[in-house]
Amino acid sequence: SQQGEEDPQALSIQEGENATMNCSYKTSINNLQWYRQNSGRGLVHLILIRSNEREKHSGRLRVTLDTSKKSSSLLITASRAADTASYFCATGPTNFGNEKLTFGTGTRLTIIP
Amino acid sequence: DTAVSQTPKYLVTQMGNDKSIKCEQNLGHDTMYWYKQDSKKFLKIMFSYNNKELIINETVPNRFSPKSPDKAHLNLHINSLELGDSAVYFCASSPPTGGTGELFFGEGSRLTVL
Repeated sequence: SQQGEEDPQALSIQEGENATMNCSYKTSINNLQWYRQNSGRGLVHLILIRSNEREKHSGRLRVTLDTSKKSSSLLITASRAADTASYFCATGPTNFGNEKLTFGTGTRLTIIP
Repeated sequence: DTAVSQTPKYLVTQMGNDKSIKCEQNLGHDTMYWYKQDSKKFLKIMFSYNNKELIINETVPNRFSPKSPDKAHLNLHINSLELGDSAVYFCASSPPTGGTGELFFGEGSRLTVL
């Protein structure tokens, strides 16, 4: 069954604004990862947050994790046209490594120049 | 220089045919995967291999047969293709468990079954 679900399914914002995407999941996790997929391309890893972490930053990306609510958010600050892509969360369940990494349904982000 | 490469990028074929997709990674990773992405962008794990050994088979029909001749290669053979097999198939690899946890994906192989 699908583990993660992103919200919203689609998001359009003006360039320079911040974009926030949310991910909810169902079972206990070891880590949660965010990936970006440009149209017609493979997925690219953005950031990983472990279950004992609450917040992590990488450049213009900020990820939060709330294990009590089984949810995570990805914030992209000062968005650029090049950020237009689909964004997926992926959860790694406890007792497994990446072998059982399960992807969410994705948020399609469009940055309007 | 490509880390994870898969061929072909596009594949159009008739129902009932057999086809293969090849994948190679030059990252020295131990684990490789096949994922299927449907038309709604839903990405689902199909198989994962660790050092040529199958470790995950997510209830994929027997028509799909992965083969790993060595830990740098993971090929996918599909027999008796059906319309529902139309999708983008992604190969990925990752370092041993306990590493960064990051998956490295290929660019995908778009399979269209007519």
